[in-house]
Amino acid sequence: DIQMTQSPSSLSASVGDRVTISCRASQRISDWVAWYQQKPGRAPNLLIYKSSSLESGVPSRFRGSGSGTEFTLTISSLQPDDFATYYCQQYNDFYFRTFGQGTKVEIK
Amino acid sequence: QVQLVESGGGVVQPGTSLRLSCVASGFTLSDFAMLWVRQAPGKGLEWVAIMSYDGSETYYADSVKGRLTISRDTSKSTLYLEMNNLRDEDTALYYCARDGMTAAGTFDHWGQGTLVTVSS
Repeated sequence: DIQMTQSPSSLSASVGDRVTISCRASQRISDWVAWYQQKPGRAPNLLIYKSSSLESGVPSRFRGSGSGTEFTLTISSLQPDDFATYYCQQYNDFYFRTFGQGTKVEIK
Repeated sequence: QVQLVESGGGVVQPGTSLRLSCVASGFTLSDFAMLWVRQAPGKGLEWVAIMSYDGSETYYADSVKGRLTISRDTSKSTLYLEMNNLRDEDTALYYCARDGMTAAGTFDHWGQGTLVTVSS
């Protein structure tokens, strides 16, 4: 199975900060990576697919990048609505999908 | 609009069984692969089962293989997860999710989840 290692597990940031979250795959997976945002008590919400494509309706301050084994989610200017937990997910193997452990973004 | 509504969760004892349901609306179940994803309290997301769009293929995470079975009834637009020989570690919020329409391999719609608690 492909493992996704996400870092950091949590971070504190202020409104307006630039935030970067990393995800490393245990083997090369081209650009088959998605990113999700999950708020407490809610289901996850798809932000980014195919490493860098923005899902419809997602603000442009969210940006994904990377290929191979190293991937990054960047929030260019953190907004109050962005405090949440973020997960990466690989779909190089369509049937056996795996998530990273999550990164909780908290208010500093 | 697309909607997924899960039900069937509850508090059960170890070794017992439970069947979860997920009623889909706003799309045709047989047009998409469908999945179950779980989240233990305070933990991350874990994919547990998938059924292909045509229902011909099913796959499971190693942690549940042989105990959980995914199925569907297209006439009722309903996805199921039959859970047998439940263990403490199966305690989680179970989401059903639809495979992505723009990007197959992602999860573009989720239900609100149904909570399964396994405890003696």
